[in-house]
Amino acid sequence: GNSVTQMEGPVTLSEEAFLTINCTYTATGYPSLFWYVQYPGEGLQLLLKATKADDKGSNKGFEATYRKETTSFHLEKGSVQVSDSAVYFCALGGGADGLTFGKGTHLIIQP
Amino acid sequence: GAGVSQSPSNKVTEKGKDVELRCDPISGHTALYWYRQRLGQGLEFLIYFQGNSAPDKSGLPSDRFSAERTGESVSTLTIQRTQQEDSAVYLCASSAGGTTNEKLFFGSGTQLSVL
Repeated sequence: GNSVTQMEGPVTLSEEAFLTINCTYTATGYPSLFWYVQYPGEGLQLLLKATKADDKGSNKGFEATYRKETTSFHLEKGSVQVSDSAVYFCALGGGADGLTFGKGTHLIIQP
Repeated sequence: GAGVSQSPSNKVTEKGKDVELRCDPISGHTALYWYRQRLGQGLEFLIYFQGNSAPDKSGLPSDRFSAERTGESVSTLTIQRTQQEDSAVYLCASSAGGTTNEKLFFGSGTQLSVL
């Protein structure tokens, strides 16, 4: 079945540092890939998505590229801000039960 | 409505009591999902409704859990004889289309605490 593995947190960085949160997946077919973000005290919301191999999703300075050859969808940002502190979830679509989510990565950005 | 609405936002109950959680999806969304998020854990799929089809209940952890949905509107998740391990945030999400590659819109969740 479908599964998502993402790096465990918490990940603690200083402001303006480069961010990578790794995500790899196992799936059949050609699913869409997603990153969702959960800011403190708020519900999950879609950050970005990619629907096919080599697509790059981007939003708010974050990027992730759908790599079919390495079954990965790593999240990157060149210069993080304190306001980026949140929990980030990688997710995989196309399954019978809707999206399959990773366990989430807690990101803490220190000023 | 403008977004997915869940109520109550917080629920404290005693072990053995029944609880009912409510979700109002975005109007017109045919798909509705319930997830559970335990402290420090990822999202655990519970149940999926798609239109008028029979729901996929494969994620429900025990027969104490049940869910209903009236047409393409409100859904209720019922937990009978609650146990302490049921303490978690219960999240509802909806999506517009008929595939599972759709963007999900989440509610803010119900924080359930079983004492």
